Amino acid sequence: DTAVSQTPKYLVTQMGNDKSIKCEQNLGHDTMYWYKQDSKKFLKIMFSYNNKELIINETVPNRFSPKSPDKAHLNLHINSLELGDSAVYFCATKGARGYTFGSGTRLTVV
Amino acid sequence: AQSVTQLGSHVSVSEGALVLLRCNYSSSVPPYLFWYVQYPNQGLQLLLKYTSAATLVKGINGFEAEFKKSETSFHLTKPSAHMSDAAEYFCAVSEEGGSEKLVFGKGTKLTVNP
Repeated sequence: DTAVSQTPKYLVTQMGNDKSIKCEQNLGHDTMYWYKQDSKKFLKIMFSYNNKELIINETVPNRFSPKSPDKAHLNLHINSLELGDSAVYFCATKGARGYTFGSGTRLTVV
Repeated sequence: AQSVTQLGSHVSVSEGALVLLRCNYSSSVPPYLFWYVQYPNQGLQLLLKYTSAATLVKGINGFEAEFKKSETSFHLTKPSAHMSDAAEYFCAVSEEGGSEKLVFGKGTKLTVNP
């Protein structure tokens, strides 16, 4: 039973499209994050939610819109996809014992 | 704001040799420090973490790291490298009580030669 699961695992789409990535956790953690890993493997935080409320927004273009319908889910919607959005996106949660990461969604924009 | 510097984007060792991956941090408050490993096309796996208890932290797969406040360092070591250790390693820092976000270093790719 995967603690932090992301769907889809791979996503290939054309420039200009709108797409969503979903994240679900069964750990009961209050805080969830989206991280972006670029082609040089650099990991940078994008957003953080605590109990469905946005607490961190790290200068991400407003084409990216996170949504947390409940404490167990944090989805990422991206409008008007650009080539530079190609990356691996990781969902993560934080609990008393630390951070748990999902296995990532590899987004390729062509 | 906290930051992490990993010295050496690539480290190459022979199988059986000592592994030393360097990490220096900057933080305005006592930090929490982490090492993660990422195997090709996989997610991040926690190797070990420092949370202000013992300064020498033992992790999984025979890795350990020592927190040195005077040097603002948290270097990762393993006495004897194994082929399966070949991966990307990330050092990260967070500030408990702050935003609690993880700030990562740029990663070090470890190659293990037979």
